[in-house]
Amino acid sequence: DIVMTQTPLSLSVTPGQPASLSCKSSQSLLHSDGKTYLLWYLQKAGQPPQLLIYEASKRVSGVSDRFSGSGSGTDFTLEISRVEAEDVGVYYCLQSRQLPLTFGGGTMVDIK
Amino acid sequence: QVQLVQSGAAVQKPGSSVKVSCKASGGTFNSYAINWVRQAPGQGLEWMGRILPTIDVTNYAQKFQDRVTFSADKSTLTAYLEVSSLRSEDTAVYYCAKEELLGYFDSWGQGTLLIVSS
Repeated sequence: DIVMTQTPLSLSVTPGQPASLSCKSSQSLLHSDGKTYLLWYLQKAGQPPQLLIYEASKRVSGVSDRFSGSGSGTDFTLEISRVEAEDVGVYYCLQSRQLPLTFGGGTMVDIK
Repeated sequence: QVQLVQSGAAVQKPGSSVKVSCKASGGTFNSYAINWVRQAPGQGLEWMGRILPTIDVTNYAQKFQDRVTFSADKSTLTAYLEVSSLRSEDTAVYYCAKEELLGYFDSWGQGTLLIVSS
């Protein structure tokens, strides 16, 4: 199984400041079709997760452009350019390169 | 836009079984899969597996292979998760999620809390 490791475990950010979340996979998520199968989800308290980014860097329609994903192979980053109160929650990366799908342990983001 | 509505919270005794439902509205099963994700209290997300209702194909995470069964009723657009031989460690919120592409879950159920306790 592909192991997904997220750092840091938690992040406390001043509103308006940027945040950077890391996700590393134990195997490359690059498929022979040229796509990289890494997704980012945000789970707010008491809610199911919501998809933010797919294929490592493609933003889902309706997601704020303050969110951007980058990375390749085994190292990935989710950047929030200016954190707002509504961004609070736990961020999970998910690999869909192969079954079983595996999530990272999550990074909790809160506001200072 | 397909919406998923799950059955309500349940309290079950150890050793018993439970069946959680996930009903789709606003669309059909077509060719997408329904995935199941578990979240133990205060813990992260864990993928359990998926079912493609139109062709009755299932994929299970190895951890859940022995005690979990996915099924679907195409006539009522309802997917089911059955967990047998329940243990206290099965206490969790169980989510169903519609898969647009593998891993791309564009619609989620509200979650079903299962408590396993004597």
